[in-house]
Amino acid sequence: SQTIHQWPATLVQPVGSPLSLECTVEGTSNPNLYWYRQAAGRGLQLLFYSVGIGQISSEVPQNLSASRPQDRQFILSSKKLLLSDSGFYLCAWTVGVSNTEAFFGQGTRLTVV
Amino acid sequence: GENVEQHPSTLSVQEGDSAVIKCTYSDSASNYFPWYKQELGKGPQLIIDIRSNVGEKKDQRIAVTLNKTAKHFSLHITETQPEDSAVYFCAASRYTGGFKTIFGAGTRLFVKA
Repeated sequence: SQTIHQWPATLVQPVGSPLSLECTVEGTSNPNLYWYRQAAGRGLQLLFYSVGIGQISSEVPQNLSASRPQDRQFILSSKKLLLSDSGFYLCAWTVGVSNTEAFFGQGTRLTVV
Repeated sequence: GENVEQHPSTLSVQEGDSAVIKCTYSDSASNYFPWYKQELGKGPQLIIDIRSNVGEKKDQRIAVTLNKTAKHFSLHITETQPEDSAVYFCAASRYTGGFKTIFGAGTRLFVKA
């Protein structure tokens, strides 16, 4: 069965420090991968999505970047965190070209202090 | 840009009553409309979805309706139970070489026993 792993679960980082969040998918090939951010009490904002290795589409210009070094690995990064980067970050995947259910990871709660 | 409006932001009902959450979307190319339930500290999980060629879909106590002309879609939960308490997100999606899914801001549903 397909599973998605996202880590760490919680993270407290000082302003100006770098960030690396990792997401891996098991049990499927060539997934579409997504990073979302959920600010407190708000909806899910799509940050990046990827349809293949090295292919990244950015939805919102900001202090973050994403990379996909392997088919089932998706990384969210920042060189210098801002206070406004705090939030709940979710990785998700879908498969195929028909509209399908998105499967979400458990999320990473990032607090920038 | 594309957006999805969701109302209400908070909904409190008595156990056994019905709950209705409404969404409107702006992207006329959207053709897939999932609803997700998010429990505290977890990633969202799909509870029901509807495609643009269908006007209504039902799964036990949950139903979704879609009016493509008006760009409205709604979630109906009947005979609510305390375990239905969670945050519910609507979303509108279309395939653009990856799924561009725009989420609503969420509705926090409280079901009082």
